[in-house]
Amino acid sequence: DSGVTQTPKHLITATGQRVTLRCSPRSGDLSVYWYQQSLDQGLQFLIQYYNGEERAKGNILERFSAQQFPDLHSELNLSSLELGDSALYFCASGGQGIIDGYTFGSGTRLTVV
Amino acid sequence: GDSVTQMEGPVTLSEEAFLTINCTYTATGYPSLFWYVQYPGEGLQLLLKATKADDKGSNKGFEATYRKETTSFHLEKGSVQVSDSAVYFCALQKGPTDKLIFGTGTRLQVFP
Repeated sequence: DSGVTQTPKHLITATGQRVTLRCSPRSGDLSVYWYQQSLDQGLQFLIQYYNGEERAKGNILERFSAQQFPDLHSELNLSSLELGDSALYFCASGGQGIIDGYTFGSGTRLTVV
Repeated sequence: GDSVTQMEGPVTLSEEAFLTINCTYTATGYPSLFWYVQYPGEGLQLLLKATKADDKGSNKGFEATYRKETTSFHLEKGSVQVSDSAVYFCALQKGPTDKLIFGTGTRLQVFP
């Protein structure tokens, strides 16, 4: 157990739908990072939150949004889903003031049918 | 911008063979460098890290040395096992609250 909790582990939904992925960071970590991993695109950085504020944005589609709540958990919202959104979505946490990489959760596998 | 380049995979080896996975980076300043490993069906796990030039990170028989002169952080293991089969990602981080910049990953397949 890495200490980063992601739910759900698996999600199957239809095109056009909206889903919410949840991440609880490791205790003490202030940063949450979201990544998308698909077979043909590797690991793509989506967005970072630090202590409730958006810190950095990567290749995140306008149909996707995220937020970090006061208790530091984060949610990634994916809407108007397309077949191409099927991927593994990872959350990672870090940022305790040392350069130590991140700790990753085990991911949410999203399948859009 | 900052980036990480890894050798293309898959790398296919027999058990007990020597492993090298090349990684080079482009970055301003003095980033920290990392290797992550992803076993089938799992998330990424930190394998080793180095925070300054000439540092050697090591873990589970894997090693990598931060070479600033060649901007490289190649991963090596003297004798691989079937259980080492996984995808390996090289990454850099500039500051403690900065995002990790990953390479594209290299798949390692080890056969008995």
